[in-house]
Amino acid sequence: EAGVAQSPRYKIIEKRQSVAFWCNPISGHATLYWYQQILGQGPKLLIQFQNNGVVDDSQLPKDRFSAERLKGVDSTLKIQPAKLEDSAVYLCASRTGADYGYTFGSGTRLTVV
Amino acid sequence: AQSVSQHNHHVILSEAASLELGCNYSYGGTVNLFWYVQYPGQHLQLLLKYFSGDPLVKGIKGFEAEFIKSKFSFNLRKPSVQWSDTAEYFCAVNGMDSSYKLIFGSGTRLLVRP
Repeated sequence: EAGVAQSPRYKIIEKRQSVAFWCNPISGHATLYWYQQILGQGPKLLIQFQNNGVVDDSQLPKDRFSAERLKGVDSTLKIQPAKLEDSAVYLCASRTGADYGYTFGSGTRLTVV
Repeated sequence: AQSVSQHNHHVILSEAASLELGCNYSYGGTVNLFWYVQYPGQHLQLLLKYFSGDPLVKGIKGFEAEFIKSKFSFNLRKPSVQWSDTAEYFCAVNGMDSSYKLIFGSGTRLLVRP
């Protein structure tokens, strides 16, 4: 079974620039999550999709972050404009069925300078 | 809201030493508990999980964890660590709603010296 694919692996941008991350979940996984992992902290949920609908985006800073999951498959997370405190690893995870069978991607490490 | 506390941020052990990593959660209702591991350069992987039943849970690679409801704890243990156990370990608890989201602790970095 292929894993959750994320790209790019690394990104360095200047503050106030924009950036986008891409995630391809495991085929057939209806639920997709984006987590933010700041250095020294555990992953924090940003947004959860069920198919192409948003289930929970209560922790997403909507003034600068946006996410979409077109056709209920791939997802894109965007930050515009980026701030220094957005430096983190952005993890995508997908899950199938009514259990906690998460599969995480390797993440995108964002550095904002 | 739930929270998870991992009090050991960095642990250094020699090979063959025993390991115990602490995890405490705040939610007093029904909980599902997890330990994840992240090896250097790799993605998060599930070590073990507790949903119900026997409070002593065995996971992969010789790890186990004990759920103690009265102490709101779910500590991870391994009798004898190996160099290959060097990684970051995260405890997590389910969210209070039905979304299956996970609330993670801040993690413990384990370094095992050969």
